[in-house]
Amino acid sequence: SQTIHQWPATLVQPVGSPLSLECTVEGTSNPNLYWYRQAAGRGLQLLFYSVGIGQISSEVPQNLSASRPQDRQFILSSKKLLLSDSGFYLCAWRGTGVYEQYFGPGTRLTVT
Amino acid sequence: SQQGEEDPQALSIQEGENATMNCSYKTSINNLQWYRQNSGRGLVHLILIRSNEREKHSGRLRVTLDTSKKSSSLLITASRAADTASYFCATDPGSGSARQLTFGSGTQLTVLP
Repeated sequence: SQTIHQWPATLVQPVGSPLSLECTVEGTSNPNLYWYRQAAGRGLQLLFYSVGIGQISSEVPQNLSASRPQDRQFILSSKKLLLSDSGFYLCAWRGTGVYEQYFGPGTRLTVT
Repeated sequence: SQQGEEDPQALSIQEGENATMNCSYKTSINNLQWYRQNSGRGLVHLILIRSNEREKHSGRLRVTLDTSKKSSSLLITASRAADTASYFCATDPGSGSARQLTFGSGTQLTVLP
């Protein structure tokens, strides 16, 4: 069966510090991968998506970047965090030929 | 941009009652999906309805879709305290290499025991 992992679960970082969030998927190959951000009590904002290794598309201009160094690994990064980067970050995957997405447990990021 | 908009934003009911949540969207879709999110957790896919379907059932869930009105509703029958969560609709335009979903802002459902 397929599983998706995200770490860390929670993170508190000072303004100006770097960020690296990791997402890995098991039990499938060549998935579409997605990074979302969710503000408190709000819906999901799509940040990045990837259809293959090294292929990254950005939905909104921001202080963040994404990379996909391996087929089932998706990384969200920042060189210098802003207060506005605080939020709940969710990684998701979608398999070939299906429409639904499967989400990881999320990372709660607080920038202080 | 957030295409799907849920209504109401918050709903509080007694256990055993039915809960109805509505979703409106703006552009054409291939399918519409409903997801559930427990507090502080990831989203879980509940049900998908295609644009050529009008109604779909899954257990205690009933989803309807009216493409002429660009709206959908999710009905949870005989609600339980464990149904307390946020519910989101998501639209799939059917185009684009990654089939990006657009999520609404969600309905917070509270089921009181």
